[in-house]
Amino acid sequence: SSELTQDPAVSVALGQTIRITCQGDSFRNYYASWYQQKPGQAPVLVIYGKNSRPSGIPDRFSGSSSGNTASLTLTGAQAEDEADYYCNSRDSSGDHVLFGGGTKLTVL
Amino acid sequence: QLQLQESGPGLVKPSETLSLTCSVSGGSVSSSLYYWGWIRQPPGKGLEWIGSMYYSGRTHYSPSLKSRVTISVDTAKNQFSLTLSSVTAADTAVYYCAAHESLTPFDYWGQGTLVPVSS
Repeated sequence: SSELTQDPAVSVALGQTIRITCQGDSFRNYYASWYQQKPGQAPVLVIYGKNSRPSGIPDRFSGSSSGNTASLTLTGAQAEDEADYYCNSRDSSGDHVLFGGGTKLTVL
Repeated sequence: QLQLQESGPGLVKPSETLSLTCSVSGGSVSSSLYYWGWIRQPPGKGLEWIGSMYYSGRTHYSPSLKSRVTISVDTAKNQFSLTLSSVTAADTAVYYCAAHESLTPFDYWGQGTLVPVSS
């Protein structure tokens, strides 16, 4: 399969936990990565591999995967976490990069 | 720390060729440590991978753009480039150059450059 599917928008109350999901056959063979993008800015990698965070990314971000669904969990959402989130992986050949359509996270 | 900066024309006419360059600092485009790529984002829409190049020169392109795309490297200038031929208004987007190490996804990004396609 060559598609990654995300919910267009989700919301979370300040300080609460939200799980953003991404569906795709890719995750049976490859880990998901997750990017955060704020308006007018380039995407920033927040999760990659099994559940790794680049330097500087808060530990309230975590990743997991089960079957064909990858998840980004935000534990204790902060106002600055309001952004678009994109999942990312590879197709079955491993040669082509895939992005999900993005999920707009609103922190209430 | 690897840093990337896109440059190119501010406007491209329909049917012409879009050409962008990504200048690399803090690392070498001929290094086996890094993989280079281009991603674009139409206004108000999501990210779309265009293609990637590996230090060996091997390239992979999005199937939907493959017939129109070329990614190349200029080791003398420490740059890599994107050309996209026969553009239409649908190619209007912010174009990002990006890079990653072998075991990570794209974790170095340029700031992006908006390329409108319009007559």
